[in-house]
Amino acid sequence: KQEVTQIPAALSVPEGENLVLNCSFTDSAIYNLQWFRQDPGKGLTSLLLIQSSQREQTSGRLNASLDKSSGRSTLYIAASQPGDSATYLCAVRGQGSSNTGKLIFGQGTTLQVKP
Amino acid sequence: SAVISQKPSRDICQRGTSLTIQCQVDSQVTMMFWYRQQPGQSLTLIATANQGSEATYESGFVIDKFPISRPNLTFSTLTVSNMSPEDSSIYLCSVGTGTGIGYTFGSGTRLTVV
Repeated sequence: KQEVTQIPAALSVPEGENLVLNCSFTDSAIYNLQWFRQDPGKGLTSLLLIQSSQREQTSGRLNASLDKSSGRSTLYIAASQPGDSATYLCAVRGQGSSNTGKLIFGQGTTLQVKP
Repeated sequence: SAVISQKPSRDICQRGTSLTIQCQVDSQVTMMFWYRQQPGQSLTLIATANQGSEATYESGFVIDKFPISRPNLTFSTLTVSNMSPEDSSIYLCSVGTGTGIGYTFGSGTRLTVV
């Protein structure tokens, strides 16, 4: 059974710092991995999607890496800003038709960026 | 990527009543997914809704409690039936719009049962 773990659970940094959020998963047979952002009480906004054949994806100040063999992904945020404060979730999609559309989520990392 | 309109955004309901949540997508999609996020927890898949067939429920979720309709390729509803305070959660619908695009989520329905 796939399990997804995110470390740390919470993080508080001063504005301008570069930071790394970690995600690990127990079953390397994944189709892809997706990072989301969730603001309090709101829905999810997709940040980056990494296919199983890819090593990393970049969007603006965000860079996500994937090491499928070791079951790890990281989300790197450069030059953090107060507007980056949110909960960040990673989710993996397993291979096989039985897993179509089924995302397994980590517990999230709640980030606070202080001005 | 697809745009999802989810309603209502929030509601406060009496125990024992039912609430129907709607999701409208701006494009045709084969599968729609319903998730639950309990307070302080991550998301858990409730069921997958295919147009023209019965929804497929995950372990721990049953049709009598969470009936789902999927009348066409752009719309779905989730009903939370006979509610109790333990049903207080955020409910989200999601669609996948193609290989390499990933999944898009609605803005969520924040349900409080009193």
